[in-house]
Amino acid sequence: AQSVTQPDIHITVSEGASLELRCNYSYGATPYLFWYVQSPGQGLQLLLKYFSGDTLVQGIKGFEAEFKRSQSSFNLRKPSVHWSDAAEYFCAVGPSFGNDMRFGAGTRLTVKP
Amino acid sequence: DTAVSQTPKYLVTQMGNDKSIKCEQNLGHDTMYWYKQDSKKFLKIMFSYNNKELIINETVPNRFSPKSPDKAHLNLHINSLELGDSAVYFCASSPQTNPDYEQYFGPGTRLTVT
Repeated sequence: AQSVTQPDIHITVSEGASLELRCNYSYGATPYLFWYVQSPGQGLQLLLKYFSGDTLVQGIKGFEAEFKRSQSSFNLRKPSVHWSDAAEYFCAVGPSFGNDMRFGAGTRLTVKP
Repeated sequence: DTAVSQTPKYLVTQMGNDKSIKCEQNLGHDTMYWYKQDSKKFLKIMFSYNNKELIINETVPNRFSPKSPDKAHLNLHINSLELGDSAVYFCASSPQTNPDYEQYFGPGTRLTVT
């Protein structure tokens, strides 16, 4: 069965610094991979997704992610973090029958001024 | 112009009660989902409906019963509420079950059972 691991529960970065959030997945076939962001008290918003093709995926809000099959990873990056990026970030993998996505436990991002 | 809406946003109730959470999407999507997010932020799918038919039913207690009166609505009814049911419940929808399509999430319903 597919699964997702986000090794970092909490990350703190300074505003303007670069960011990388890690995601490792386990899936038998070519996975569909997603990154979602959840701001406090809000629902989840899709940042980007990878299905096939170019392994470097551009998303909204200046985020990008790189799919590395050899490492079973799909890390999320941003070159310069803004205070408004403070949120919870979820990596997810799919599919199985019925488009069932499996989410990681999330990484909470704190941005220092 | 809300895409996926849920009511209520907050729900506080006592053990043993029966409660419902409503979800509506105005995106014209065929597939709708219920997810549970526990206190550790772990998000897990509970149910998935496609064109009003159940296609995923993860291992959840029988006390949870989804109802889809039409494609735009997927309600969650919970009987005999327990303390462990306290969580945030998210509704989501997607155009089809095909994973090429992303899922759109509602704002969540925070359920607190006392």
